[in-house]
Amino acid sequence: GAGVSQSPSNKVTEKGKDVELRCDPISGHTALYWYRQSLGQGLEFLIYFQGNSAPDKSGLPSDRFSAERTGGSVSTLTIQRTQQEDSAVYLCASSFSGRILWSSDTQYFGPGTRLTVL
Amino acid sequence: TQLLEQSPQFLSIQEGENLTVYCNSSSVFSSLQWYRQEPGEGPVLLVTVVTGGEVKKLKRLTFQFGDARKDSSLHITAAQTGDTGLYLCAGAGGQGGKLIFGQGTELSVKP
Repeated sequence: GAGVSQSPSNKVTEKGKDVELRCDPISGHTALYWYRQSLGQGLEFLIYFQGNSAPDKSGLPSDRFSAERTGGSVSTLTIQRTQQEDSAVYLCASSFSGRILWSSDTQYFGPGTRLTVL
Repeated sequence: TQLLEQSPQFLSIQEGENLTVYCNSSSVFSSLQWYRQEPGEGPVLLVTVVTGGEVKKLKRLTFQFGDARKDSSLHITAAQTGDTGLYLCAGAGGQGGKLIFGQGTELSVKP
């Protein structure tokens, strides 16, 4: 497909379980971002990958959250020992270069994964 | 910590009315973007403003970046029902492509 895809689209889990969320960025995009969106709210930055550089993890809310990006393409966001406050929509985005100062470097968002922790 | 305050949070108007959404910060941003998001989808970029005082127009939408690059506004002229959605402003948050988002404005345009 031409856009960013995410799976699953919906995930319901029990408190304390681990979950993995997947993101397939647009082919050729070197930058990949994860954001979290609570109901009707703006997006909260979680983590950013740019090429082979060390990821910017400054937005991860706790050490239960981790993410990796294999082969410079697919990314997985893992939440361990889920809590009810982790319930949100998790959005992934990719961009060509990650250099936001270039107005042509648009972040393209996937449809998100809606996570519900019971 | 860079923050963006967006107002109003909710806006319900009749078709044909004009509206303005504001995005304010105490921090300077190198660029600021506006997105529109529909239910079940990710945000879609509408515009990027880079230069202080810059004004960009997209059909009935007018975007302005403040002279000091700390604030921005989105003005919609003669709103249509198709304008309904969540409007988000986002500022470039320092190094790399990290974006700092405002809380969003939920716009409902009624026929």
